[in-house]
Amino acid sequence: EAGVAQSPRYKIIEKRQSVAFWCNPISGHATLYWYQQILGQGPKLLIQFQNNGVVDDSQLPKDRFSAERLKGVDSTLKIQPAKLEDSAVYLCASSSIRGAHTEAFFGQGTRLTVV
Amino acid sequence: QQPVQSPQAVILREGEDAVINCSSSKALYSVHWYRQKHGEAPVFLMILLKGGEQKGHEKISASFNEKKQQSSLYLTASQLSYSGTYFCGTVRNNNDMRFGAGTRLTVKP
Repeated sequence: EAGVAQSPRYKIIEKRQSVAFWCNPISGHATLYWYQQILGQGPKLLIQFQNNGVVDDSQLPKDRFSAERLKGVDSTLKIQPAKLEDSAVYLCASSSIRGAHTEAFFGQGTRLTVV
Repeated sequence: QQPVQSPQAVILREGEDAVINCSSSKALYSVHWYRQKHGEAPVFLMILLKGGEQKGHEKISASFNEKKQQSSLYLTASQLSYSGTYFCGTVRNNNDMRFGAGTRLTVKP
């Protein structure tokens, strides 16, 4: 079974530029999460999708971050414009049903450095 | 809304035991435990649903006290491979999963 795929693995951009991350969850997984993990901290939930609908985006900085999950499969997370404090690893995870009952599988993450 | 983990860090010798705690101020539906090694993605260890159950996986087990909104992870006879950062993920009735700040476990020979 293929795992959660993310790209790119690494990205370096200057502040005020825009960047996009892509996630392909495990086939058939309805729930998709985007987390931001700053070095030395736990993953912070940015947004959770159930199929192509948003379940929770209360911690997503909506003035600069946006995410979509078209057709309930792949998802993209965009930052525009980026700030220095956005430097982090962005993790995508998926689970087969709504998160409470089953494990979430994580991708390798995208390491973003904003300079 | 993030759960609180303790301790922040633990250093053990091989064969020693450790307990990692996770608590929440909100009512929980379930608790997940993950381990993350440096530069890698978090890997699932176990999930505990409300009901005060205890689960085990080899020499790693966990308990969940629903009334106290607390969970504990027990590592018995630790091995070098247990080193990493352990995160608890708590799920409330709205099904979003929030993680604690993590507990860094180092097992030395």
